[in-house]
Amino acid sequence: GAVVSQHPSRVICKSGTSVKIECRSLDFQATTMFWYRQFPKQSLMLMATSNEGSKATYEQGVEKDKFLINHASLTLSTLTVTSAHPEDSSFYICSARDREAYGYTFGSGTRLTVV
Amino acid sequence: AQSVTQLDSQVPVFEEAPVELRCNYSSSVSVYLFWYVQYPNQGLQLLLKYLSGSTLVKSINGFEAEFNKSQTSFHLRKPSVHISDTAEYFCAVTTGESYIPTFGRGTSLIVHP
Repeated sequence: GAVVSQHPSRVICKSGTSVKIECRSLDFQATTMFWYRQFPKQSLMLMATSNEGSKATYEQGVEKDKFLINHASLTLSTLTVTSAHPEDSSFYICSARDREAYGYTFGSGTRLTVV
Repeated sequence: AQSVTQLDSQVPVFEEAPVELRCNYSSSVSVYLFWYVQYPNQGLQLLLKYLSGSTLVKSINGFEAEFNKSQTSFHLRKPSVHISDTAEYFCAVTTGESYIPTFGRGTSLIVHP
């Protein structure tokens, strides 16, 4: 089945630094990828939708300059949290749309802790 | 716009007992429905999905869900749960107009020995 690889699984960084999270579709082409943020015991909050070769579409309230999304190829999307602060600490999950199977495959998530 | 309601935030149940996790949706157009499971500190894994055809869909690990258009529901059931089924379960919906899935708030299934 479709697999999405997300790295790193866990990262701790200092306040003010930037962190890049990668999301790769391993055996299918993902023209669309989604980035979510999940707070403890809560549902997924869609941050942005990225389409290969074009700018990401951000949800209302999500800072574009803080959460940089790049979808440069059909198999790779990256989320960069710039100038991270403790309030950015969260669980980030990517998802890729598999058009052939009409489904959505999720990465394993990244636990970001900003200290 | 579509929406998903999972009324139960937590469902405690004893091992080998049956369980039902409720999901209701709202949409003015045809829908596609999904159930995902999330184990601690992991991403979401697809359990089962309804796209078209038979309204009863089944997963390989004993879960099943039935699409009920008149009641706008897609409840998840399992006749006998295991300890290993303890996890968070999310119901999601998309439509032909918007392929961006909308998730419910999740239901925490807690299986006690």
